Amino acid sequence: TQLLEQSPQFLSIQEGENLTVYCNSSSVFSSLQWYRQEPGEGPVLLVTVVTGGEVKKLKRLTFQFGDARKDSSLHITAAQPGDTGLYLCAGHVTGTASKLTFGTGTRLQVTL
Amino acid sequence: GAVVSQHPSWVICKSGTSVKIECRSLDFQATTMFWYRQFPKQSLMLMATSNEGSKATYEQGVEKDKFLINHASLTLSTLTVTSAHPEDSSFYICSARVTSGPYEQYFGPGTRLTVT
Repeated sequence: TQLLEQSPQFLSIQEGENLTVYCNSSSVFSSLQWYRQEPGEGPVLLVTVVTGGEVKKLKRLTFQFGDARKDSSLHITAAQPGDTGLYLCAGHVTGTASKLTFGTGTRLQVTL
Repeated sequence: GAVVSQHPSWVICKSGTSVKIECRSLDFQATTMFWYRQFPKQSLMLMATSNEGSKATYEQGVEKDKFLINHASLTLSTLTVTSAHPEDSSFYICSARVTSGPYEQYFGPGTRLTVT
């Protein structure tokens, strides 16, 4: 059973469109991170959210942590080809500080 | 800051041989490092947690005698794939955890292992 489910699994959009990626769980997370990974490289940390209801912005990316700390979303405004990659949410289940549980991943392709 | 390196970035070996992969935290000390495996177009799967100065903790289903982990210093952890087989071919990624804050992990660039 996958602890963190991401949707959609794959998204192909054109430059300039907006999109939202969801990360859902039945477990409570003490913190949640979003990573972006390009082919043949390791994941790169984008943001960490720790407080229920927290919203963080990183240029055209907006991250939100659910009030109950069981879900999160990533919204990209005016997507660009450089946003193409695998987006992964990952979090620490409350009480398991050391292990990071990864989501199923969302592969985004932005075309001109 | 928080840079993690891996070496080698790719390696090809023959079936039955052993391969060592190094993971280094370059600008911070990491008491805990993690080793992941990633299959094509899939998410990361945690293999083991490496703690400096103690035995690694392996996830269920991961053979500890096949995937030997050593974390001899605060900046270096190694993963040795022993008696490699073609099914061990994969992308291996390490990460290092900062010791304060919300336990953020920083990842290395990965090592592509191909066993022929």
